[in-house]
Amino acid sequence: GAGVSQSPRYKVTKRGQDVALRCDPISGHVSLYWYRQALGQGPEFLTYFNYEAQQDKSGLPNDRFSAERPEGSISTLTIQRTEQRDSAMYRCASSPGTSGTEQFFGPGTRLTVL
Amino acid sequence: ILNVEQSPQSLHVQEGDSTNFTCSFPSSNFYALHWYRWETAKSPEALFVMTLNGDEKKKGRISATLNTKEGYSYLYIKGSQPEDSATYLCAPTNNNDMRFGAGTRLTVKP
Repeated sequence: GAGVSQSPRYKVTKRGQDVALRCDPISGHVSLYWYRQALGQGPEFLTYFNYEAQQDKSGLPNDRFSAERPEGSISTLTIQRTEQRDSAMYRCASSPGTSGTEQFFGPGTRLTVL
Repeated sequence: ILNVEQSPQSLHVQEGDSTNFTCSFPSSNFYALHWYRWETAKSPEALFVMTLNGDEKKKGRISATLNTKEGYSYLYIKGSQPEDSATYLCAPTNNNDMRFGAGTRLTVKP
């Protein structure tokens, strides 16, 4: 599998619980992006990394959302004290270079908060 | 923050028709524009990355043009086929931020 993978593919959780979503980018890709996608909408930018450095987190909705990429490869998006409005598809994408190069998307994690 | 507008929101054409749609974005601090093809329940698939004013890119029956001075890009599909039915997303970037438009949903009827 040479593509971007994400796990879990589906996550159902109760309101107030913390969740961690994982993204495995394409090997060697420099940049990694996180997006949130509501049903029927285009992806909404959350944050991105070049190597292990978080470049921009302006899209994170609030301080319950955080992301890390400690070794410049796998990334984790964590949502603390989940709320029902957090329910969405969370997608990550990786690219071999900076924002001028195309991004390859993973299959997404469908998060449902009850 | 990048404000992106795509029009029309949806489009229905007959097989064999040629069609085009528009992506509008702020022209200041432009770095690149991405076009994606997105089928429901799948991940967006990259079509083009465009960076220079006047750029034209082509992939099979699909092509795109870019005008960075006035802040728009057109996507053209020649001789539409039912398998072209999808949502076409554009995403400009200013090198710090990348925003997707709401997309144009294309339906091609056989």
